[in-house]
Amino acid sequence: AQSVTQLDSQVPVFEEAPVELRCNYSSSVSVYLFWYVQYPNQGLQLLLKYLSGSTLVKGINGFEAEFNKSQTSFHLRKPSVHISDTAEYFCAVSATGRRALTFGSGTRLQVQP
Amino acid sequence: ETGVTQTPRHLVMGMTNKKSLKCEQHLGHNAMYWYKQSAKKPLELMFVYNFKEQTENNSVPSRFSPECPNSSHLFLHLHTLQPEDSALYLCASSQDLPGQGFMNTEAFFGQGTRLTVV
Repeated sequence: AQSVTQLDSQVPVFEEAPVELRCNYSSSVSVYLFWYVQYPNQGLQLLLKYLSGSTLVKGINGFEAEFNKSQTSFHLRKPSVHISDTAEYFCAVSATGRRALTFGSGTRLQVQP
Repeated sequence: ETGVTQTPRHLVMGMTNKKSLKCEQHLGHNAMYWYKQSAKKPLELMFVYNFKEQTENNSVPSRFSPECPNSSHLFLHLHTLQPEDSALYLCASSQDLPGQGFMNTEAFFGQGTRLTVV
């Protein structure tokens, strides 16, 4: 079985500041890793994904994430956030032999002016 | 229509009512999912369908009854719900890759149905 831990339930940050949202996973088999964003009263939208290849993955809206296999982490970063980035962010993992994604509990990013 | 569409967007129902949630995907995917999202809790996987066959049921109470008539449509039939069933219900679809052990490469989500049980 696999699991995902998002260490911060809320991250307040000022506009134009950098941000990092942390994600750690555990799995006994190979995994794919994902970050999704959810705006209020909306479904989940894919930000980026790591399937294979380069460990630094770039996504939409200026976000990027780095896969670190030795630390079993997949932290999400953005060098300069905007008010419009205020949302809930979910890290997720899929693994060989299981169709569905396993999600973390989410991190609420609050961008303040 | 593109992507994954869920109807209705909002639903209020009494505990004795029977209602259904509908999900339709226009992506040609072969797998569909129901997730439950409650306040302050992680997304909970409820059901998985692959090629119209149910492949996973995560101990969901029988008052939730899924139906998948074809690869594009997924329903969740609701009856005699409890107030604690109030949540956002999300549908998702994906294209599974049998050659890689059915690993899910990406799931596409609908906008959800906000359900309130009174």
